[in-house]
Formats: sequence, C-alpha cells, structure tokens
Amino acid sequence: DAMVIQNPRYQVTQFGKPVTLSCSQTLNHNVMYWYQQKSSQAPKLLFHYYDKDFNNEADTPDNFQSRRPNTSFCFLDIRSPGLGDAAMYLCATSRPQGNRPNIQYFGAGTRLSVL
Amino acid sequence: AQTVTQSQPEMSVQEAETVTLSCTYDTSESDYYLFWYKQPPSRQMILVIRQEAYKQQNATENRFSVNFQKAAKSFSLKISDSQLGDAAMYFCAYRWSNTGKLIFGQGTTLQVKP
Repeated sequence: DAMVIQNPRYQVTQFGKPVTLSCSQTLNHNVMYWYQQKSSQAPKLLFHYYDKDFNNEADTPDNFQSRRPNTSFCFLDIRSPGLGDAAMYLCATSRPQGNRPNIQYFGAGTRLSVL
Repeated sequence: AQTVTQSQPEMSVQEAETVTLSCTYDTSESDYYLFWYKQPPSRQMILVIRQEAYKQQNATENRFSVNFQKAAKSFSLKISDSQLGDAAMYFCAYRWSNTGKLIFGQGTTLQVKP
C-alpha cells in the first residue's frame, strides 16, 4: 500500500501559470520534505515542515512556496513556473526518534513539464 | 559544507555477479548517518541500507552490504548475486546527526545484464 502519495504523477503547465503539487501520507509522520530532482541529477531539498514549522533552504527561489494544512497533507506551489522549473518533484516524510537515524519515505514523485 | 560524491555515473553488472558502487563524502562532523537509496525508473525512491557513523561494523541487508571506511570518508555499496530488479539509479546520502536533512550524491545508474 502506498504510504506517501503524490498527485498528479504528471503535470503539464504553461510558462507563468501557477501550479500546485500535492502530497499526502498515511504514516502519521511529523516531518515532510519537498525535493526537486532534475534529469539525471541528485534530489535537492527545497524546504521541509517539522510539524507546523516551515524550514526553507537558503537557495530555494521565492517562486516556490509550501503549505501544510494538517499532518497528512503538504502542497508545493510554484507561483510562476519557468522553463527551468521542469523537473521531478519528490515528497518525503520521516518521524525523528531520538538519536536513531530517521528514514525518509519517498513518494513516487510528480513530473512537471512547463510549456 | 558537507558534500557527497559518486564518481561512477554508470555501472553495469552481469546477472548473478557482484558489483560495488562507490561513494565518498566530506564532513567535519563525527556523528552522522549514511544511506543508500535506490530509485527504479519511474518508481519511488526506497531505502536500501543505512549506516551509523559511530558503528564500526558494516551494515548488511540480505544481498546488500556496505564497506564503511570512516577515516577515508568512504561508503561503498556491494550488491551480491545481482538480479534484474536491481537495475536502478542508486544514490548515496549523508544526514546530519541533529537534523533530518539529506545530502545526496549525483547518483549511479546500474544496469543489470541478463
């Protein structure tokens, strides 16, 4: 059973047209992450939520925003997509447990195309 | 800043043979965690194996094992008895001890030949 679900799997948008990607989880994890992965590259962390606390990476463009209305859902909003924003967007979740290495569980990703 | 380097963009192995994927990292911390993740084509990334830096013993998960050399900052993945389903992109990742942030290497695409 899928535990981290990303919808849609494929998203096509127009240059400059706002787009929202969604992620939901059934794991009840308190941390949710958004990564951007361009073709044949490593995933790059954009931001993460620790419960309701939003943590933005220093080099994440202002064009990218996120919302987490509750524990289960997290959204990635791209306000004005450019051609360079075409990528796979990965959502991941984790639950820190003291000093144990908390594993991140990934969704299958949403592949965004910008026309 | 912490960095993770995978110097092999592509590797291939014959089915049932053994292959080793390389990973090196740079950090000034003494307490951290290392992971290998597998990303099959068009499928989600899954954890293959993990290693705590304070443990000297190399982690093993069935056909997957690591060679963790802390002094050399090396963390290679050995896949024994390779199967067609092992074909994927493999990412080495480093995690700070006190945060959940992962730093990924560039990835190695593994091809398994029948």
